[in-house]
Amino acid sequence: SQQGEEDPQALSIQEGENATMNCSYKTSINNLQWYRQNSGRGLVHLILIRSNEREKHSGRLRVTLDTSKKSSSLLITASRAADTASYFCATDANSGGSNYKLTFGKGTLLTVNP
Amino acid sequence: KAGVTQTPRYLIKTRGQQVTLSCSPISGHRSVSWYQQTPGQGLQFLFEYFSETQRNKGNFPGRFSGRQFSNSRSEMNVSTLELGDSALYLCASSLWIISGGNTEAFFGQGTRLTVV
Repeated sequence: SQQGEEDPQALSIQEGENATMNCSYKTSINNLQWYRQNSGRGLVHLILIRSNEREKHSGRLRVTLDTSKKSSSLLITASRAADTASYFCATDANSGGSNYKLTFGKGTLLTVNP
Repeated sequence: KAGVTQTPRYLIKTRGQQVTLSCSPISGHRSVSWYQQTPGQGLQFLFEYFSETQRNKGNFPGRFSGRQFSNSRSEMNVSTLELGDSALYLCASSLWIISGGNTEAFFGQGTRLTVV
């Protein structure tokens, strides 16, 4: 079963607006990562937030993590047409263990209209 | 710093054939993971290697196998290809630290496999 579930599945906004995507997961995690994927290409790492962190910023990106609700959000401010892509959250459920694997949600397709 | 390199980028194979995909991780990264991405199933974990040892394996049939070499480069092999194996295969590398486990996972551009 999917560990992460992104919401919404698709989001269409105008350039300059903010975009918020949410991710929920089911089990305890070590960390959570957000990725961007342009059509059919590789995943680009955006940001990692550890389970003991609540908020992290990187440029126009802001990620929050609420471990009590098992959820995270990704905010992209002042969006640009180039931000058009699919966005995935991925969780790592093992803390320093020997069974490393990422579990992905199905992603949010963001379309930024010029 | 060079990123994760996957070769080849595109492959077309016939049902029943086998295929080998290659992944060169970021220098210094000893953990290499493989993922399959399809429109129906999304991104699914195949396996992870660390220091030439498979540490974890996803829920895929035995036709899917992999290995890691002493320089951390990894290969995955799929034997007796089926139409349903058509997918984007992604490799990721990450650093493993004793105090905190795996750090960020960086992905390659993927290998697009088409089985006809």
